[in-house]
Amino acid sequence: NAGVTQTPKFRVLKTGQSMTLLCAQDMNHEYMYWYRQDPGMGLRLIHYSVGEGTTAKGEVPDGYNVSRLKKQNFLLGLESAAPSQTSVYFCASSYAILWGGGIQETQYFGPGTRLLVL
Amino acid sequence: QKEVEQDPGPLSVPEGAIVSLNCTYSNSAFQYFMWYRQYSRKGPELLMYTYSSGNKEDGRFTAQVDKSSKYISLFIRDSQPSDSATYLCAMSLYGGATNKLIFGTGTLLAVQP
Repeated sequence: NAGVTQTPKFRVLKTGQSMTLLCAQDMNHEYMYWYRQDPGMGLRLIHYSVGEGTTAKGEVPDGYNVSRLKKQNFLLGLESAAPSQTSVYFCASSYAILWGGGIQETQYFGPGTRLLVL
Repeated sequence: QKEVEQDPGPLSVPEGAIVSLNCTYSNSAFQYFMWYRQYSRKGPELLMYTYSSGNKEDGRFTAQVDKSSKYISLFIRDSQPSDSATYLCAMSLYGGATNKLIFGTGTLLAVQP
């Protein structure tokens, strides 16, 4: 299993350009997430999906759109990139299991995409 | 004030030392607590998952939750150079995918051979 893969690994954009980040998982997970990681800010949730065809906003959704047309793929789009969107973007997928102590959800992260917006 | 506070470090220790990593939080409703390890230029990977208060041990790692103090810890025994990474704490109100994880900013650990 490849787990969670992300493409591209690195990208430089000019302000105003658009791009799409692709996340793919081969673990048949229902749930998928997009995070951004910035120094001193930690990981922040952008958007997430609990199943094919469904998406929801996270903590910092402005300036981003997502689509989950297939269960294994979760796309993150930047319609008009801004320097404030310079960050490392991580995709994650997960499943949840019931256990005696409640529900355990394990998120598996991809290797990240480094985006620089000039 | 951030919901989850974590000392960014860096924390440098000699090989074989016991390492203590900590997070404090402000929302007393958090019930699920996690520790992730992130190597440089890699994605985070789940190390420990605990529910409510108490301790959980897995090999050289022990996770401790003190809900009364709103404080969680990760202890690493017999630390190795391969433990050098950033450690992120995370927590949530409920289990399951529709609830959101709140992450700390991470503590950078360096274990010197």
